[in-house]
Amino acid sequence: AQSVSQHNHHVILSEAASLELGCNYSYGGTVNLFWYVQYPGQHLQLLLKYFSGDPLVKGIKGFEAEFIKSKFSFNLRKPSVQWSDTAEYFCAVFSGGYQKVTFGTGTKLQVIP
Amino acid sequence: DAGVTQSPTHLIKTRGQQVTLRCSPKSGHDTVSWYQQALGQGPQFIFQYYEEEERQRGNFPDRFSGHQFPNYSSELNVNALLLGDSALYLCASSLYLPGNYEQYFGPGTRLTVT
Repeated sequence: AQSVSQHNHHVILSEAASLELGCNYSYGGTVNLFWYVQYPGQHLQLLLKYFSGDPLVKGIKGFEAEFIKSKFSFNLRKPSVQWSDTAEYFCAVFSGGYQKVTFGTGTKLQVIP
Repeated sequence: DAGVTQSPTHLIKTRGQQVTLRCSPKSGHDTVSWYQQALGQGPQFIFQYYEEEERQRGNFPDRFSGHQFPNYSSELNVNALLLGDSALYLCASSLYLPGNYEQYFGPGTRLTVT
């Protein structure tokens, strides 16, 4: 079965620190990859997506993610976090084989001013 | 341009009861997916509706059923509620196009079963 693993459940960083959140998936075929963010009290919003082409994708608010096919990974990065980045981040994978989106369990990011 | 809307916002039900949740997709979207998000977990796919038919289904029992109307809005019905059905239920809409799997999420309905 298709699965998504997010290794960090809770991350605490100081402002201006660099961020990297891990995401690994299990499906070996063609996949579409997403990172969603959920700010406190708000609904899920798309941060960035990878469908094909350049494996380094840039999203909103300075976030980027790199698709490494050989490692089945799609890690999220940001060079310098801000207090407003405090939120929960979800990695999600769509595979044509399963025709559905599978989410990871999420990573709660807390940025300390 | 309204995004995805869901009603009600919160709901409290008793074990054994039935519940109906509603979703209106983003303008221009024709596909609705439903997810269950338990506390501390990521959203779990329940099913997807397109052209008023259930197209895909996740690993949920038949107690979970749905419907899509001609205006693309959708309902999620859960029968014989269990305590474990307490969760945030999310609706996501998209436009059915080959290769388009970008979904827009609503704010969710918080269901509490007592």
